[in-house]
Amino acid sequence: GIQVEQSPPDLILQEGANSTLRCNFSDSVNNLQWFHQNPWGQLINLFYIPSGTKQNGRLSATTVATERYSLLYISSSQTTDSGVYFCAVIKWGSSNTGKLIFGQGTTLQVKP
Amino acid sequence: EADIYQTPRYLVIGTGKKITLECSQTMGHDKMYWYQQDPGMELHLIHYSYGVNSTEKGDLSSESTVSRIRTEHFPLTLESARPSHTSQYLCASSESEGDGYTFGSGTRLTVV
Repeated sequence: GIQVEQSPPDLILQEGANSTLRCNFSDSVNNLQWFHQNPWGQLINLFYIPSGTKQNGRLSATTVATERYSLLYISSSQTTDSGVYFCAVIKWGSSNTGKLIFGQGTTLQVKP
Repeated sequence: EADIYQTPRYLVIGTGKKITLECSQTMGHDKMYWYQQDPGMELHLIHYSYGVNSTEKGDLSSESTVSRIRTEHFPLTLESARPSHTSQYLCASSESEGDGYTFGSGTRLTVV
């Protein structure tokens, strides 16, 4: 099945710093989502981005489908950005049809 | 406001008990999913449904069962809880193959 790899696995930032999280996937995909899981375990959808670039406030994401990767940018980080960031993909027309496959996540800690 | 709801949020229960985790969505989505997540780890699909009276097992083997009698409701049942079932269980829904997933807040289950 399709493999999703995220890097780095862990990241520690000082408040106000910028960061880039990466997601590589092993096959072409039809959809890709970025999620933030807060310390209470809640999974929040950040971006639905099968291709192109989107921005939402201090966050932005870019997916280059032809090169099988996606990037999540966090600018001017805040302590509330702490948590785990997951990338997840869906590929149609295979055994994984319609099922969201998750990477192992990047754990971000933002220090005040 | 359309949303997806899970109850209970936290549950501590003794070994051998029968439990049902509730999941309801108000968005009219046909597709619903259950994921299991151990602390600090990625999410794994354990059950999914593409509509009423349709249920399938996911990629990760689970002793739990599900039912889909109504579009909005997708409960998960453990007939006899064991400590190995201790985990977080997250419910999600999507409208169609091309849409993103929306997740509930999760149920953190501890079996003692």
